[in-house]
Amino acid sequence: EAQVTQNPRYLITVTGKKLTVTCSQNMNHEYMSWYRQDPGLGLRQIYYSMNVEVTDKGDVPEGYKVSRKEKRNFPLILESPSPNQTSLYFCASSITLNEQFFGPGTRLTVL
Amino acid sequence: GIQVEQSPPDLILQEGANSTLRCNFSDSVNNLQWFHQNPWGQLINLFYIPSGTKQNGRLSATTVATERYSLLYISSSQTTDSGVYFCAPGGWDYKLSFGAGTTVTVRA
Repeated sequence: EAQVTQNPRYLITVTGKKLTVTCSQNMNHEYMSWYRQDPGLGLRQIYYSMNVEVTDKGDVPEGYKVSRKEKRNFPLILESPSPNQTSLYFCASSITLNEQFFGPGTRLTVL
Repeated sequence: GIQVEQSPPDLILQEGANSTLRCNFSDSVNNLQWFHQNPWGQLINLFYIPSGTKQNGRLSATTVATERYSLLYISSSQTTDSGVYFCAPGGWDYKLSFGAGTTVTVRA
């Protein structure tokens, strides 16, 4: 089954404790992206990647890191999480930037 | 980035009704997608439609890129159409900008 998976689905953590949210797709897509969703703001792009070893900033990259060492994986790293990073996070993939497929989302709470 | 305005912000429909959702954007685009987020939070791509008209069952979409707007039509609405509809235009920078969404509630 073609899908984008994210782990964990739910995470409660404390300020400053490094965390990684994994994202994996099995569709051989080149393009992958991370978004955060906050009430009333829609989705905002954090980082995206056009292919392996190629990443670029979206609209809200501060406080986040990504890597793309393999085509299928695109982890999101929060080196020192803060409460304003409490949000719902989505990973997405597509062949180029056409029909985006989204993962199920990760709900992160930073205390 | 591209500024996106979706209207109306909220829409309540009786089952079987038709409706039109609008998306205005501030810049020229080479990409536009419509998504549906169901009440459980899942995001589904409805259309990739940088220009022209497409239809998929009871849903159709039209983008007039030269006039910077897109429309999503829902015909014969069903309760399963409830959720939030997002418009996401994109330019040549390989980014998508999302609107705040239109929340649709379909009542039986």
